[in-house]
Amino acid sequence: AQSVTQLDSQVPVFEEAPVELRCNYSSSVSVYLFWYVQYPNQGLQLLLKYLSGSTLVKGINGFEAEFNKSQTSFHLRKPSVHISDTAEYFCAVGGSNYKLTFGKGTLLTVNP
Amino acid sequence: DAGVIQSPRHEVTEMGQEVTLRCKPISGHDYLFWYRQTMMRGLELLIYFNNNVPIDDSGMPEDRFSAKMPNASFSTLKIQPSEPRDSAVYFCASSLGQVGGYTFGSGTRLTVV
Repeated sequence: AQSVTQLDSQVPVFEEAPVELRCNYSSSVSVYLFWYVQYPNQGLQLLLKYLSGSTLVKGINGFEAEFNKSQTSFHLRKPSVHISDTAEYFCAVGGSNYKLTFGKGTLLTVNP
Repeated sequence: DAGVIQSPRHEVTEMGQEVTLRCKPISGHDYLFWYRQTMMRGLELLIYFNNNVPIDDSGMPEDRFSAKMPNASFSTLKIQPSEPRDSAVYFCASSLGQVGGYTFGSGTRLTVV
């Protein structure tokens, strides 16, 4: 079985500050890892994904994430956030069965 | 491509009524997923299809829920009879295998009163 734990339900930050959203996963097999973003009243949008290869993955909107197998983590980072980054962020893990298990989400609020 | 299209965007219905949610996946995608999102339980996978065939429906909460995919361009999720605890946002997503990740629709917000 697979599971995802997003350690923070809410993260408030000021504009132009760096941010890290934490994600830990549990899986007994090789995994694929994803971060999705959900803006209010919208569906989820893929930010970035780790399938194999380089452990540092770059995505859209200046976000990046690092896969750490020993710590079973896939934390999302951005060096400088904007007001428009305010949204809910979901970490997800997938395997060979073609379905994703999502975390409970982290609400990122960027304040001026 | 127009993306994954869901209808209706909002649905308000009375308890006991039948509700049908619709989804048109991205052309060429071979996997289709139905998720339910609530504040309490987050995103829950209800059922998914591969090449129009249901693969795993273990997330369907009870027999009141049913899903079909009669062809590659259309799927429905039906609740009969509906109950207030079914109120949630229902998302459809499609993908081309696992590697690409999902493309989500905008969701259907269901309210059962």
